[in-house]
Amino acid sequence: KNEVEQSPQNLTAQEGEFITINCSYSVGISALHWLQQHPGGGIVSLFMLSSGKKKHGRLIATINIQEKHSSLHITASHPRDSAVYICAVLYGNKLVFGAGTILRVKS
Amino acid sequence: ETGVTQSPTHLIKTRGQQVTLRCSSQSGHNTVSWYQQALGQGPQFIFQYYREEENGRGNFPPRFSGLQFPNYSSELNVNALELDDSALYLCASSLDLWNTEAFFGQGTRLTVV
Repeated sequence: KNEVEQSPQNLTAQEGEFITINCSYSVGISALHWLQQHPGGGIVSLFMLSSGKKKHGRLIATINIQEKHSSLHITASHPRDSAVYICAVLYGNKLVFGAGTILRVKS
Repeated sequence: ETGVTQSPTHLIKTRGQQVTLRCSSQSGHNTVSWYQQALGQGPQFIFQYYREEENGRGNFPPRFSGLQFPNYSSELNVNALELDDSALYLCASSLDLWNTEAFFGQGTRLTVV
């Protein structure tokens, strides 16, 4: 069993839709990252959370430490949001990654 | 743009060969971590270097080794390449060991044939 579980694995949305990607983890962590990976591999860090909620543009990330759960929301989705979204949690000195959610936004 | 650069971007090697991948960390960052990402999977932790010393290792065999230099740049070396070593290798740097924010490079795509 993976220590970090993401859902859904694949998501197709229409432009303008509100999107939610979920991440659950099994043990205590010091921080959680939401990352975006485009074809070709480069990873961009979207958010780093240890509590509460963060917002950047159309992206919102929340974390519930007690429930060991985080969500990434995209409002007013756009085709350029199409990418793989990865949740990663910091256990000690290493990041443990989820398998990623493949998002495709259609125009 | 994060300032973490990896080279080369793509590489093709033959089974049994050795490979060296390089990572220049973001300016001022003394902690570098390496990850392997197989196709369709999330990255897996290989090892971390802090101030030129290995500071943790994932479940990878000894033929995966690394170095960190005084300028905090880093190398990942893989000996006796196997077909399953084909993957994207990612490097991430952090300001220091206790800073949780990580900055990723673009990765090196290694293909072993």
